[in-house]
Amino acid sequence: DAKTTQPPSMDCAEGRAANLPCNHSTISGNEYVYWYRQIHSQGPQYIIHGLKNNETNEMASLIITEDRKSSTLILPHATLRDTAVYYCIVERNRDDKIIFGKGTRLHILP
Amino acid sequence: GAVVSQHPSRVICKSGTSVKIECRSLDFQATTMFWYRQFPKQSLMLMATSNEGSKATYEQGVEKDKFLINHASLTLSTLTVTSAHPEDSSFYICSAEAGVYEQFFGPGTRLTVL
Repeated sequence: DAKTTQPPSMDCAEGRAANLPCNHSTISGNEYVYWYRQIHSQGPQYIIHGLKNNETNEMASLIITEDRKSSTLILPHATLRDTAVYYCIVERNRDDKIIFGKGTRLHILP
Repeated sequence: GAVVSQHPSRVICKSGTSVKIECRSLDFQATTMFWYRQFPKQSLMLMATSNEGSKATYEQGVEKDKFLINHASLTLSTLTVTSAHPEDSSFYICSAEAGVYEQFFGPGTRLTVL
């Protein structure tokens, strides 16, 4: 079973920041938090990952709380192309499998 | 990032026939690849782990004799759906490990069984 909890859907206005929350209260000390997204009828796309510190790349920022029980993915300036299902994943069991939960369906509103 | 391809992207077949789907890592070697299945409006479901040079490991409830997996080289894994039936119609996605904590996904193959 997935070890994360995400809201099923969110709306965000185009050009605004999209903040996607994720709860992972049972995360272990050596488990990373990963974010992927899946645009309709495509394979999942890697976005970002982190362990303890906040991370930023060209796509997004990842904010992890100090107790590591939750995190937020931030898309700073959402566009219509960011419409997708976003998956928060806690890595992973010793077989390195990625187990997907239901994710958050993000709708970007024009 | 690393690139993973799948072939074909779409396939339509008659019930009872077998279909082979290829997953290739284009610019890296992958000792481990994974196969997922996704039904409409649902999340990805892991089917099996494909290990180069050894037998695949199947998730509970996945029929190994129906979904044959071969990982013959460090850049290629194949999934064969044998004796396909309409209920096997789905979106099949593979992923490949490029390194520790680095996993990249293919674009998916949409299978329709008539």
